[in-house]
Amino acid sequence: AQSVTQPDIHITVSEGASLELRCNYSYGATPYLFWYVQSPGQGLQLLLKYFSGDTLVQGIKGFEAEFKRSQSSFNLRKPSVHWSDAAEYFCAVGGVASGGYNKLIFGAGTRLAVHP
Amino acid sequence: DAMVIQNPRYQVTQFGKPVTLSCSQTLNHNVMYWYQQKSSQAPKLLFHYYDKDFNNEADTPDNFQSRRPNTSFCFLDIRSPGLGDAAMYLCATSRDANQPQHFGDGTRLSIL
Repeated sequence: AQSVTQPDIHITVSEGASLELRCNYSYGATPYLFWYVQSPGQGLQLLLKYFSGDTLVQGIKGFEAEFKRSQSSFNLRKPSVHWSDAAEYFCAVGGVASGGYNKLIFGAGTRLAVHP
Repeated sequence: DAMVIQNPRYQVTQFGKPVTLSCSQTLNHNVMYWYQQKSSQAPKLLFHYYDKDFNNEADTPDNFQSRRPNTSFCFLDIRSPGLGDAAMYLCATSRDANQPQHFGDGTRLSIL
């Protein structure tokens, strides 16, 4: 079955430190991959996406992610975290057929806390 | 700016009293989605419209219905809300299947 795993429920980093959020997926073909961020009480904002081509993708707010097919991973990285990056981060895989339509499958999310 | 707008941001209703949440979009996207998100959980897809074509998820309770009268608007109707329906409800749109989804800020529903 198609699935997305985010192994880390909570992560705490110091402001200015580097960040890596892990995401592993299970999907039978080349997936469409997304990272979304959600601040408290808000909707989800798209950080970046991977459809094909260059496996290192750049997103907004200084984030990047690397697609590694051999590891079924799509980890999110940022070289220097800002206090405003504290939020919930969701990895999602698209292209999952459901009744003939495609939909996103979300991971459980990783909550990021940033210490000053 | 083109947006996905959800109204109201907060909704309180009584146990068993029908409630309607609304979503509008200025993106002219073909697909509109409704998600339910409970505290500290991932969004869970309830159903979506591809244009006028409605697709219900297999595990969406019958209590939940949706209407899409035109491209811009989509409504979520909860016919008889129970305490377990208290959640954040998120609307999203995408230009086409597999394209990135654009989310509204959500409606937080409370049940008294």
